Amino acid sequence: SQTIHQWPATLVQPVGSPLSLECTVEGTSNPNLYWYRQAAGRGLQLLFYSVGIGQISSEVPQNLSASRPQDRQFILSSKKLLLSDSGFYLCAWTRRGSNTGELFFGEGSRLTVL
Amino acid sequence: QQQVKQSPQSLIVQKGGISIINCAYENTAFDYFPWYQQFPGKGPALLIAIRPDVSEKKEGRFTISFNKSAKQFSLHIMDSQPGDSATYFCAASKRSTSYGKLTFGQGTILTVHP
Repeated sequence: SQTIHQWPATLVQPVGSPLSLECTVEGTSNPNLYWYRQAAGRGLQLLFYSVGIGQISSEVPQNLSASRPQDRQFILSSKKLLLSDSGFYLCAWTRRGSNTGELFFGEGSRLTVL
Repeated sequence: QQQVKQSPQSLIVQKGGISIINCAYENTAFDYFPWYQQFPGKGPALLIAIRPDVSEKKEGRFTISFNKSAKQFSLHIMDSQPGDSATYFCAASKRSTSYGKLTFGQGTILTVHP
């Protein structure tokens, strides 16, 4: 069976510090990978999307970046965090070529920037 | 044109009652409309989804109604149970680009009283 892992689950960081959130998917190959951010009362916003190693599409301009160094690993980073980067970050995957469209989410990483 | 508007923001229903959540979209290119359920501290999980070639889809106590001309769709939860208490998100995407590149509504917090 397929599983998705995200870490850390909770993170408190000062403004201006770097960030690295990691996500790995097990039990599947060549997944499409996604980073979403969830702000209170505002739903989920797609940040980055990847169809393969080293292939990253950014959906919104921001202070964050993403990388996919391995097929099933997706990393969200920042060089200098802003207060507005606080939120609940969710990694997700879909099967390549799926006709059901189901997006499988991880448990999320809650980031608080102080 | 990419927005999905969801209402109400919160909903309180008695056990056994019907819960109704509504969504409206603007982009006529959207052709996949899922609903996700999220429990506190967890990632969202797919509940039910519909494509615009049908007007209704039912799975157990959950029904999606779809009105293509009005660009609206809704989730009905029949015989609501306390275990249904969660946040519900509607979403939309274009299958030709990627199922997983979802535009989400703002979410509805459903509370079902025993």
